[in-house]
Amino acid sequence: GENVEQHPSTLSVQEGDSAVIKCTYSDSASNYFPWYKQELGKGPQLIIDIRSNVGEKKDQRIAVTLNKTAKHFSLHITETQPEDSAVYFCAASIWDMRFGAGTRLTVKP
Amino acid sequence: SAVISQKPSRDICQRGTSLTIQCQVDSQVTMMFWYRQQPGQSLTLIATANQGSEATYESGFVIDKFPISRPNLTFSTLTVSNMSPEDSSIYLCSAAGQGDNQPQHFGDGTRLSIL
Repeated sequence: GENVEQHPSTLSVQEGDSAVIKCTYSDSASNYFPWYKQELGKGPQLIIDIRSNVGEKKDQRIAVTLNKTAKHFSLHITETQPEDSAVYFCAASIWDMRFGAGTRLTVKP
Repeated sequence: SAVISQKPSRDICQRGTSLTIQCQVDSQVTMMFWYRQQPGQSLTLIATANQGSEATYESGFVIDKFPISRPNLTFSTLTVSNMSPEDSSIYLCSAAGQGDNQPQHFGDGTRLSIL
């Protein structure tokens, strides 16, 4: 089955800096890659997603890139703000979704 | 996107008892899923709740322990049966629309502690 690895497990940045989280997947048939943000006491919230026919997608300060050949995809957050502090999960999907282990992002004011 | 409500939001239960978690979606959805999330861990899929037929369980999860109902396109329940302390976890419901790989949207989960 699909295996998703996510790095780093924790990430601390200064407010205004950029943050990058990387994921790799094992099954080349995976064709959908969402990213979720989970705040304490809440369920995961979909923040951006990308499909295998697209290499990059951007939504304001958030962007995701996909390299199908290398089987990895990344989340980029620019101009980070304290409210970006949360746990971020990547996922890869063929028919069902497999999640990475998560990255705890802390943005220091 | 669909709004998903789960009840209860948290509970503390005695070992050996069972608890049913409800998941209500504000619009009709094709797919509904149940996940488990141990504290500080990632999400693990328990099963896909199929409307009008038996749920499809992932490896390591069985119907006798986690019976699931899906009576219509907006509602599902997950029962955690004969609970033990190892069942202490967050249980999450998600929903997705029709078609391959539609975005899944999650409820805020049920935080379950077993004494």
